[in-house]
Amino acid sequence: DAGVIQSPRHEVTEMGQEVTLRCKPISGHDYLFWYRQTMMRGLELLIYFNNNVPIDDSGMPEDRFSAKMPNASFSTLKIQPSEPRDSAVYFCASSLSLELADTQYFGPGTRLTVL
Amino acid sequence: GESVGLHLPTLSVQEGDNSIINCAYSNSASDYFIWYKQESGKGPQFIIDIRSNMDKRQGQRVTVLLNKTVKHLSLQIAATQPGDSAVYFCAENIEKGGNKLTFGGGTRVLVKP
Repeated sequence: DAGVIQSPRHEVTEMGQEVTLRCKPISGHDYLFWYRQTMMRGLELLIYFNNNVPIDDSGMPEDRFSAKMPNASFSTLKIQPSEPRDSAVYFCASSLSLELADTQYFGPGTRLTVL
Repeated sequence: GESVGLHLPTLSVQEGDNSIINCAYSNSASDYFIWYKQESGKGPQFIIDIRSNMDKRQGQRVTVLLNKTVKHLSLQIAATQPGDSAVYFCAENIEKGGNKLTFGGGTRVLVKP
């Protein structure tokens, strides 16, 4: 299995531009998670999906952030408009189920820089 | 690779020695804990986990200890190798019966040859 795939690996954009991050979970995994990692706040859960349906988006910082999962093999995290404080590494993870002790597998991350 | 954190606590250990990484968790109701390893430029990688009904669990070269009385978790790495250099995160499951994780701030381990 190729693992969780994220694209792009690096993104540099200017303030005000729209940014779209992409994720392909491990095939057969029903749960998909989006995390953000910064030096100041560490690793934070933004949102997670079950069978393509958003379950908990309480970690999404504000309305500029949105996430979708149109099918079982693809999810996007969009920031519009982007701001310099959105600069971070964004990780996608997936797991087979949401049962206790089910491992979350992380992708390599997308490093976003907003100038 | 990405900078995970310039101000992380750092543990320097000599190659071949044992490493102990500590973590204090926040929620006394948490029932599942995980240690992740993150190398530069990569996503967190699962190392070992433990349920709250256990106080010790062993893997290959790693042991996790759980002390629920003081809400403390530790990861022991035996015979530390250069490939163990990374940032290590503990995570706790804060959702009863679920898998919603809260991560600690991380500890950087530097292995000296």
